Amino acid sequence: QSVLTQPPSASGTPGQRVTISCSGSSSNIGSNTVNWYQQLPGTAPKLLIYSNNQRPSGVPDRFSGSKSGTSASLAISGLQSEDEADYYCAAWDDSLNGPWVFGGGTKLTVL
Amino acid sequence: EVQLVQSGAEVKKPGESLRISCKGSGYSFTSYWISWVRQMPGKGLEWMGRIDPSDSYTNYSPSFQGHVTISADKSISTAYLQWSSLKASDTAMYYCARRACSGGSCYLQHWGQGTLVTVSS
Repeated sequence: QSVLTQPPSASGTPGQRVTISCSGSSSNIGSNTVNWYQQLPGTAPKLLIYSNNQRPSGVPDRFSGSKSGTSASLAISGLQSEDEADYYCAAWDDSLNGPWVFGGGTKLTVL
Repeated sequence: EVQLVQSGAEVKKPGESLRISCKGSGYSFTSYWISWVRQMPGKGLEWMGRIDPSDSYTNYSPSFQGHVTISADKSISTAYLQWSSLKASDTAMYYCARRACSGGSCYLQHWGQGTLVTVSS
């Protein structure tokens, strides 16, 4: 069972906007920033969003992140077929769980 | 260009030992922590632990403490993940990742391609 809670699946049609939630606690999301990773099928994870809402160079502005209290969200607008992937949230955890804890991942399907 | 290149896939028997590697290039190896992340078949990401290559200080997730050892050889810009006695449950993809920090926030910015470890009798 993951420390951060994500829905196991999400879906949308091309052009739609979808959001993926991530719920944590005061020791992780509540007191630290949230990062999001995208894992395309058969590939290594890739940093998608860092520091709650910052995009690394090269990440389209269709991807955005937000955080409020002990929860965070990833939004994808103008959904494209190549966005079909697994998405993971992660945060630094101040408890014994260790510096980074991950969500269980959300599999995004583009219908 | 920052690159983390991991060693190739391994097939081992239960009880055997194993060390896999992660070679960094394109940056100052001693300036950035390296973490190891496990992904079991069909499952999510799990942070195992990290090393500061400048002084080899390590810390581990409680779930992995005592089961694996993380080390580094800064002379060849390489980090390692090691098992002394593998179990079938160690079958997984293992990724190394380099930490970066900006404005007080840290994240795993660069990832290796992964090393698949299969443990089977």
